[in-house]
Amino acid sequence: DQQVKQNSPSLSVQEGRISILNCDYTNSMFDYFLWYKKYPAEGPTFLISISSIKDKNEDGRFTVFLNKSAKHLSLHIVPSQPGDSAVYFCAASGGSTGGSTLGRLYFGRGTQLTVWP
Amino acid sequence: DAGITQSPRHKVTETGTPVTLRCHQTENHRYMYWYRQDPGHGLRLIHYSYGVKDTDKGEVSDGYSVSRSKTEDFLLTLESATSSQTSVYFCAISRDSRTDTQYFGPGTRLTVL
Repeated sequence: DQQVKQNSPSLSVQEGRISILNCDYTNSMFDYFLWYKKYPAEGPTFLISISSIKDKNEDGRFTVFLNKSAKHLSLHIVPSQPGDSAVYFCAASGGSTGGSTLGRLYFGRGTQLTVWP
Repeated sequence: DAGITQSPRHKVTETGTPVTLRCHQTENHRYMYWYRQDPGHGLRLIHYSYGVKDTDKGEVSDGYSVSRSKTEDFLLTLESATSSQTSVYFCAISRDSRTDTQYFGPGTRLTVL
């Protein structure tokens, strides 16, 4: 059962415009969320994260918004650039049981972002 | 970039043969992880380690075993490879607490014929 869902497998955006990637989760115990970017034939690269005590985190062109009541987060990229074309994975951690403190990550299936000139 | 290497980067093998993938880190991070990535599934955790000789199962551990005899090395073994284990395998590391970011290696593409 998928605990982290990215319902849009692909997104196409013109260069200079905003890209909005969405992610939903079902486990209310998740308390830390991350976005990774992945180019073909490379490992995922950490992009930005947010703790559940915040509702927004910004890093340059990238902003992540968290809506805990809706169990929804989104990644905004402004302005979008052709080099942003990649697969973006949403991930969540927390919700551990049995006293484990390990930050196991649960990943969505990814969204392929294409930024065209 | 975090110092993580994986070897081999590509491997083709036959059903029933044993395969070992290696992850090596130079960051002295405590936690190490093995994930597999398949179309339509994102990344799924196979096994993880929270210290030397301390390992545990992830969500798709059947058919895999791991070992960690040194901080820097985490080995993933397929005792008898099957075609369903054809995948891209990623190693990841994190420093300590559960909110620490995980950093990924470049991946190993494994094909089981």
